Amino acid sequence: EAGVAQSPRYKIIEKRQSVAFWCNPISGHATLYWYQQILGQGPKLLIQFQNNGVVDDSQLPKDRFSAERLKGVDSTLKIQPAKLEDSAVYLCASSLLLNTEAFFGQGTRLTVV
Amino acid sequence: GENVEQHPSTLSVQEGDSAVIKCTYSDSASNYFPWYKQELGKGPQLIIDIRSNVGEKKDQRIAVTLNKTAKHFSLHITETQPEDSAVYFCAAPNYGGSQGNLIFGKGTKLSVKP
Repeated sequence: EAGVAQSPRYKIIEKRQSVAFWCNPISGHATLYWYQQILGQGPKLLIQFQNNGVVDDSQLPKDRFSAERLKGVDSTLKIQPAKLEDSAVYLCASSLLLNTEAFFGQGTRLTVV
Repeated sequence: GENVEQHPSTLSVQEGDSAVIKCTYSDSASNYFPWYKQELGKGPQLIIDIRSNVGEKKDQRIAVTLNKTAKHFSLHITETQPEDSAVYFCAAPNYGGSQGNLIFGKGTKLSVKP
């Protein structure tokens, strides 16, 4: 079974630029999560989708971050404009249903300079 | 909301020794406690989890114990091997939410010396 796919693996941008990350969850998984993991810390949830609807975006900095999952499969996370403190690994995870195990992708490492 | 504290932040053991990592949580309504292992350059991988209706769960060399009264849970790894070296995270559900909507501890970097 293929895992959660994320791209790109690495991205370096200057502050105030925009960036987008892409996630393809495990086939058939209805629930999708985006997490932010700052170096030396545990992952922090940014947004949770159930199919193409948002379940929880309470920790998403909505002034600069946006995410969508238009067809209930792939998802994109965008940052515009980026700040230095956005440097982190952005992890996508998916689960078959709301209350089943979440599987994580390898993440996208973002460096803002 | 939930708060998860994890100790120690680093742990070094000799191969074959046991390792114990402890976590506390704040929300007495939390009922699911997973442990994730994260290797360098990879995403977290679930290694074991426990629900609040049991006090202990084992899977080969790995075990998790839960004390609901004290609101703490622990990961026990016996007969450690070099490949156990990684960062381990405990977690608990955010606002009693789903198994993937989690509050993570800050992690424990485990080093197993051959």
